Amino acid sequence: DARVTQTPRHKVTEMGQEVTMRCQPILGHNTVFWYRQTMMQGLELLAYFRNRAPLDDSGMPKDRFSAEMPDATLATLKIQPSEPRDSAVYFCASGPGGRETQYFGPGTRLLVL
Amino acid sequence: QQPVQSPQAVILREGEDAVINCSSSKALYSVHWYRQKHGEAPVFLMILLKGGEQKGHEKISASFNEKKQQSSLYLTASQLSYSGTYFCGTDQGAQKLVFGQGTRLTINP
Repeated sequence: DARVTQTPRHKVTEMGQEVTMRCQPILGHNTVFWYRQTMMQGLELLAYFRNRAPLDDSGMPKDRFSAEMPDATLATLKIQPSEPRDSAVYFCASGPGGRETQYFGPGTRLLVL
Repeated sequence: QQPVQSPQAVILREGEDAVINCSSSKALYSVHWYRQKHGEAPVFLMILLKGGEQKGHEKISASFNEKKQQSSLYLTASQLSYSGTYFCGTDQGAQKLVFGQGTRLTINP
């Protein structure tokens, strides 16, 4: 059964370190989304891609966050340098495009000390 | 613009019914409902497209009134497994979803 996969599932790091999160979308899905979830802010869209091209990254702090899709099977989200306020669960979701729905991966729980 | 969900939380006994509402100040192309259990990812329940359609999924159904820019999720004869946080995601025209703050549903035996 097709699923979105994310690695790592958990990450603890120190402030100032680089963090890289990876996502493998469902095969055949051409749209990939990155979300951040916190108790205070809920589910926030950070960036999304269609056919590997970035369409919207307005939700992402540009100075420290970057998102890429080096190929159709891999999306990455990087934080450099990380800060304690980046602690959150980061979800990747993929969809077949158009107005179809999205399917979420299991998330990466990030704790920045 | 983030849609508003109500209520923010609800506690039920097993077998009772619940309604969760999602309201937007912007015109909507579709509404997507998800359920998230603690420590897990949101799981897709159903999508409602423009046209006022109502959809069902076991004892969970939903409606979408595009004129009022509202959607409601109906849970009938709730089961313990229905516990979790329910989110509506709204497509406001950019083919991306804006999620509400969630409604926490607790079902007690």
